[in-house]
Amino acid sequence: NAGVTQTPKFRILKIGQSMTLQCAQDMNHNYMYWYRQDPGMGLKLIYYSVGAGITDKGEVPNGYNVSRSTTEDFPLRLELAAPSQTSVYFCASSTRLALGSDTQYFGPGTRLTVL
Amino acid sequence: EDKVVQSPLSLVVHEGDTVTLNCSYEVTNFRSLLWYKQEKKAPTFLFMLTSSGIEKKSGRLSSILDKKELFSILNITATQTGDSAVYLCAVEASYGGATNKLIFGTGTLLAVQP
Repeated sequence: NAGVTQTPKFRILKIGQSMTLQCAQDMNHNYMYWYRQDPGMGLKLIYYSVGAGITDKGEVPNGYNVSRSTTEDFPLRLELAAPSQTSVYFCASSTRLALGSDTQYFGPGTRLTVL
Repeated sequence: EDKVVQSPLSLVVHEGDTVTLNCSYEVTNFRSLLWYKQEKKAPTFLFMLTSSGIEKKSGRLSSILDKKELFSILNITATQTGDSAVYLCAVEASYGGATNKLIFGTGTLLAVQP
């Protein structure tokens, strides 16, 4: 199993540009998550999904959109990039809604810089 | 097997009290320990701890990590009704390859009465 994969690893965007961060998992997990991590901070939840076709907002959803058309894929879209979105983005998956007493598996992250 | 254990499971206090929440862990390839506050669906981040003995503070909340004894505490002083929530402890660990994992505890339900 590849686990959780993310692409790209790095990206530099100009203000106002759009992009999609890709995330895929091959562990047949129903639950998937997008986090951002700013320097010296912990993970902040952007969006999560409990299954194909179902998504919900996390702590910091503004400026982002997600979709979940399949169990495997959970892309994160930035429509109008802003410097405040400069961060490292992590995708994760789990067997159940892991906001307590479970384990989430993380991808390697995407380092995004908005200039 | 990796595990994160929080205690107590629930706690009821009165406004103005000081509370201490506990988190112990047994995790291979430890990277960091995080505390979250969960009031509705999504948890909000409080602290990330990576080094032993260095206290992190934010207002009335503070936390410290002991990597030798494998535990962390979260203190809340002068509690207010707005502190009522579930407090989650999570430990980040290396899993293999490029994948890490985040192991959550069951949470401590704190109720602050006026």
